[in-house]
Amino acid sequence: QVQLQESGPGLLKPSETLSLTCSVSGFSITSGYYWGWMWQPPGKGLEWIGSINHSGSTYYNPSLKSRVTISVDRSKNQFSLKLSSVTAADTAVYYCTRGGAGSRPGTFDYWGRGTLVIVSS
Amino acid sequence: QSALTQPRSVSGSPGQSVTISCTGTSSDVGGYNFVSWYQEHPGKAPKLMIYDVSQRPSGVPDRFSGSKSGNTASLTISGLQAEDEAEYYCCSYAGNNNVFGTGTKVTVL
Repeated sequence: QVQLQESGPGLLKPSETLSLTCSVSGFSITSGYYWGWMWQPPGKGLEWIGSINHSGSTYYNPSLKSRVTISVDRSKNQFSLKLSSVTAADTAVYYCTRGGAGSRPGTFDYWGRGTLVIVSS
Repeated sequence: QSALTQPRSVSGSPGQSVTISCTGTSSDVGGYNFVSWYQEHPGKAPKLMIYDVSQRPSGVPDRFSGSKSGNTASLTISGLQAEDEAEYYCCSYAGNNNVFGTGTKVTVL
């Protein structure tokens, strides 16, 4: 059973860099698929942030591309998200997922439970 | 890329059918057969219900079905059940981008 678990700080100050890690169990990242991040501001809809595969090939949401970096650590079976220069508008639940590109464009079949990140001074 | 347009809410009685529309453009929904649908209950992670327009993942009841015509995709829930009450989101591949819908609240009366 594929399981994903987000981890990282839940509170940031404006202008800081958000850093989250997704630990994958039950499936090796090197076996394939893309692995991605989503966000959902409180009371709002879902938005795709970006996806990466095991070799480091990435796709990003054009609206966030300038602030986003997604990386992969094959040895730990993890992938990570960095979002720079955060503001209150970046307050959201962040989900890590499997999918979004490659053989499964537009499809996200496994999701983490999500982690709430609050940006506040 | 703008969010795909969904109705804010739909409702139906148990046993009835409801259909949720998801309208995009020729750059997303109309341009690719990569539309998916997600069910989200409050406080829970979204769950994949339909992928590639009309494919159901293992374990999803066959009363959930998907279709597409032009720039509009649709999710139909037949034989509505109380546990189907949730928020539903569509998503479409859009050429190196993935765009979600605005979300639809399904209420079981």
